[in-house]
Amino acid sequence: NAGVMQNPRHLVRRRGQEARLRCSPMKGHSHVYWYRQLPEEGLKFMVYLQKENIIDESGMPKERFSAEFPKEGPSILRIQQVVRGDSAAYFCASSGQGASEAFFGQGTRLTVV
Amino acid sequence: SQQGEEDPQALSIQEGENATMNCSYKTSINNLQWYRQNSGRGLVHLILIRSNEREKHSGRLRVTLDTSKKSSSLLITASRAADTASYFCATDDPGGFKTIFGAGTRLFVKA
Repeated sequence: NAGVMQNPRHLVRRRGQEARLRCSPMKGHSHVYWYRQLPEEGLKFMVYLQKENIIDESGMPKERFSAEFPKEGPSILRIQQVVRGDSAAYFCASSGQGASEAFFGQGTRLTVV
Repeated sequence: SQQGEEDPQALSIQEGENATMNCSYKTSINNLQWYRQNSGRGLVHLILIRSNEREKHSGRLRVTLDTSKKSSSLLITASRAADTASYFCATDDPGGFKTIFGAGTRLFVKA
């Protein structure tokens, strides 16, 4: 059973470009969470999604950031018009229905140059 | 502000010594989890303790939970250089929707 898969592992974007981060949850998991980790800091919750629904996006910046978890395919975190401050590690986690334990991917390290 | 706050922020010990990290939180929880993150890597789930449990063991790890003080501790016994990592505590949002992380304790074990 493969774990949570995130790709790409490393992503470099120029200021103003779009960044698309993908997360494939563990098999059978229908809950996906995205977290952002700035250098030397802890993880900050961004958004919680179930299939085709955004449950809680209280941690998402109001502009430029969006997330989706379609019926088929991976969850996508999209950052439009990236700025240097978006440089961070973005982690995705998944859990099963009713489960408390979340399994994390290896993260995508976004660098904006 | 963060739900979970780890203490200390950084800890440096010799191999073989025990390492104790503490975590305090603010609101009621369903459970508390500890994670490890090696430099440049993803998070690894170490142990989960439920709100009705007081102590839990897993190998060299011992976790305690005091819900009256809203605090938890992670003890790593007989530390090894490979234990060098950042350790995060995380609590479930009372609504059960998301897990809230603290800023982490950076542990450095010298060989």
